[in-house]
Amino acid sequence: GDSVTQMEGPVTLSEEAFLTINCTYTATGYPSLFWYVQYPGEGLQLLLKATKADDKGSNKGFEATYRKETTSFHLEKGSVQVSDSAVYFCAAMTGAGSYQLTFGKGTKLSVIP
Amino acid sequence: DTGVSQNPRHKITKRGQNVTFRCDPISEHNRLYWYRQTLGQGPEFLTYFQNEAQLEKSRLLSDRFSAERPKGSFSTLEIQRTEQGDSAMYLCASSFGDRGGTEAFFGQGTRLTVV
Repeated sequence: GDSVTQMEGPVTLSEEAFLTINCTYTATGYPSLFWYVQYPGEGLQLLLKATKADDKGSNKGFEATYRKETTSFHLEKGSVQVSDSAVYFCAAMTGAGSYQLTFGKGTKLSVIP
Repeated sequence: DTGVSQNPRHKITKRGQNVTFRCDPISEHNRLYWYRQTLGQGPEFLTYFQNEAQLEKSRLLSDRFSAERPKGSFSTLEIQRTEQGDSAMYLCASSFGDRGGTEAFFGQGTRLTVV
């Protein structure tokens, strides 16, 4: 079945540091890929997505590029802020009649001033 | 529209009791999903509705679990004879569309504690 593997946390960074959270997937076909974020006390929110190879999703300074050759969708941000502290989930949706999301375990990011 | 609404937000129940959760999706969203999330894990898919039809069920959904979406609007998830292993956050999500890649909007979840 489909699976998503993301780097384990927690990750602690100083403000303005560069962020990378690795995500790789195993899926039949060509899934759509997503990054969701969960801020403390809130529900899951879509951060960005990409639906085909070489697409780049971006939002709030975060970016991720759909790499079919390496089956990856790594999340990056050039300069993190304290307000980025949250849990980040990578997810894949295979589609083709199945619209369930397969999530990674999540990576907790803490940004310190 | 205030997004996906789930009730109750918290539920504590004794082992062996039945519980029911409700999800109100975003208006006109034709798809509705239930997920379960345990501490330190990502959400796991339980079941999916397109309008009123339940189209997919995970192997995680044992016979004690049942979900409905009458009239294709709100949905309920019932757990019968609860067990301590059912303790988790139950998440509902909804989306609109007829193909993959569309965004699923999540509710804040119902946290179930079985004592």
